[in-house]
Amino acid sequence: QQNVQQSPESLIVPEGARTSLNCTFSDSASQYFWWYRQHSGKAPKALMSIFSNGEKEEGRFTIHLNKASLHFSLHIRDSQPSDSALYLCAVRGNNRIFFGDGTQLVVKP
Amino acid sequence: EAAVTQSPRNKVAVTGGKVTLSCNQTNNHNNMYWYRQDTGHGLRLIHYSYGAGSTEKGDIPDGYKASRPSQENFSLILELATPSQTSVYFCASGDAAGGVNYAEQFFGPGTRLTVL
Repeated sequence: QQNVQQSPESLIVPEGARTSLNCTFSDSASQYFWWYRQHSGKAPKALMSIFSNGEKEEGRFTIHLNKASLHFSLHIRDSQPSDSALYLCAVRGNNRIFFGDGTQLVVKP
Repeated sequence: EAAVTQSPRNKVAVTGGKVTLSCNQTNNHNNMYWYRQDTGHGLRLIHYSYGAGSTEKGDIPDGYKASRPSQENFSLILELATPSQTSVYFCASGDAAGGVNYAEQFFGPGTRLTVL
């Protein structure tokens, strides 16, 4: 059974800061890695994904993946109050998707 | 973009009563999922389906049944609701084809269920 863990559980940062969220997984055969964002009272929505080692950037968001260390991360540059949300990482393995428990991010103006 | 709808959006039920939560998706996705999310926490998988007529147990299936009568519809049934099943329930759909999109799930707006 895949074990997906996120850290930290919660995070408060000032506006303009660089924010880093972490996700570890246990199955080295995992193939696809996603970050989802869920604003308060809303449904989760896919933010961005990566499937090969390295880095992928989309605007202020960057994903890093290191399969050997069973770790991927999301970095937010110039964090904005609108980035305040629950961030969920997701890993595909064993023919289904496994979600972490989430990191609650608050960006203070 | 994927369209997933859920009904009802809010439901108050009594302990021991039967509750049915419905989900409909219009994107012809093979896979559908039911999750529950408790305040401030992540998603826990209850049941999922690979297509019409199929249902599979997720991580927390006890006390829940699922039904997938068609490609578009996936229901979650609580035969004897208990207060511990008070939660927000999300339905999701996803493409079964290979490639990176296989892991992307499209979520409905959620159903807030309160069992008194």
